[in-house]
Amino acid sequence: GAGVSQSPSNKVTEKGKDVELRCDPISGHTALYWYRQSLGQGLEFLIYFQGNSAPDKSGLPSDRFSAERTGGSVSTLTIQRTQQEDSAVYLCASSSIAGVGETQYFGPGTRLLVL
Amino acid sequence: AQSVAQPEDQVNVAEGNPLTVKCTYSVSGNPYLFWYVQYPNRGLQFLLKYITGDNLVKGSYGFEAEFNKSQTSFHLKKPSALVSDSALYFCAVRDRTRGGSYIPTFGRGTSLIVHP
Repeated sequence: GAGVSQSPSNKVTEKGKDVELRCDPISGHTALYWYRQSLGQGLEFLIYFQGNSAPDKSGLPSDRFSAERTGGSVSTLTIQRTQQEDSAVYLCASSSIAGVGETQYFGPGTRLLVL
Repeated sequence: AQSVAQPEDQVNVAEGNPLTVKCTYSVSGNPYLFWYVQYPNRGLQFLLKYITGDNLVKGSYGFEAEFNKSQTSFHLKKPSALVSDSALYFCAVRDRTRGGSYIPTFGRGTSLIVHP
């Protein structure tokens, strides 16, 4: 079956512009996670959704970052007024449920470059 | 609180030799433990996980890992390395304690390089 998909695969933008990153999870997966991976760094947790609600937004680095999920499926991560330090790979993952030893399934990521 | 450490940024091994990628963890209670692999320009792929039961877990591509509670470790192993195993490997932990975080904590990753 289809895995997690993300779009765009690459995004180049100018400092100060807004960007939207999209994640389409595996059908039926209720939990969705956003992570950021900077060069040479591990995975930085950003936000977690259970259904359409976000019980944990603790990882969002600033109020320029926001995310939503509609219909318990597609999620959009929005970065407003992008800065050069926002350049990274943004990874999305989904899992069937949260709260047990669930396996996360990752998408290929969106590579964001802010000039 | 939960944390995970991958003490080696890079592991080098010759093709055909056994490989070990180290992971240690810290949780308040009992852990769920995971290994993922990331090939260049790709997302993370699940390799194996420890939930409960047998301490030796077998996963994809011939990899295995052993849960050692006394040493709080979950090292990834393979008896005979392949050049195609060269990738970035991530260990992750989640505390099973009721009320614990739903979010796994990932290590910084270990780059495995298998030389022909």
